[in-house]
Amino acid sequence: AQSVTQPDIHITVSEGASLELRCNYSYGATPYLFWYVQSPGQGLQLLLKYFSGDTLVQGIKGFEAEFKRSQSSFNLRKPSVHWSDAAEYFCAVGEENNDMRFGAGTRLTVKP
Amino acid sequence: ETGVTQSPTHLIKTRGQQVTLRCSSQSGHNTVSWYQQALGQGPQFIFQYYREEENGRGNFPPRFSGLQFPNYSSELNVNALELDDSALYLCASSQRTSGGETQYFGPGTRLLVL
Repeated sequence: AQSVTQPDIHITVSEGASLELRCNYSYGATPYLFWYVQSPGQGLQLLLKYFSGDTLVQGIKGFEAEFKRSQSSFNLRKPSVHWSDAAEYFCAVGEENNDMRFGAGTRLTVKP
Repeated sequence: ETGVTQSPTHLIKTRGQQVTLRCSSQSGHNTVSWYQQALGQGPQFIFQYYREEENGRGNFPPRFSGLQFPNYSSELNVNALELDDSALYLCASSQRTSGGETQYFGPGTRLLVL
């Protein structure tokens, strides 16, 4: 069965600094990969997804992620963090036409 | 906004009671999935409905049940509530395709069981 690991529970970065959130997955075939963001008390908003093709995917709000099959990773990056990016970030892996498995999440704090 | 709506937004119940949560899917979507998100954790898959039939279920007991209606809206029912059922319940809608589907989430229903 597929699984997702987000090694960092909590990350703090200064506003304007770069960001990388790590995600590792376990899956037998090429997975469908997602990053979602959740603000306190809110639902999940899709940032970006990877199904196939170019391994570097662009998302909303200036985020990008790179699929590396050899490392079973799908790390999320942003070159310059804004205070409004403070939230919980979830990586997820999905099978075709079935459920998604989520990581435990990484909480991002942005220092002024 | 995704176009996925859930009701109610908040709910307080006592142990042993039953609860029904509702979800309206995004226009054009035929699949609804339900997730439970306990405090400080990632969402856990409960089950999925496609064309009014259950199409996959996570590790949840039978007292968690659901329905999908012809307009693709959905209900999640939980019987014999337990304290550990306190969580944010998320509904996600998607359109079944051959190349992978993207799930769009509603704002959730926060359930507190006392």
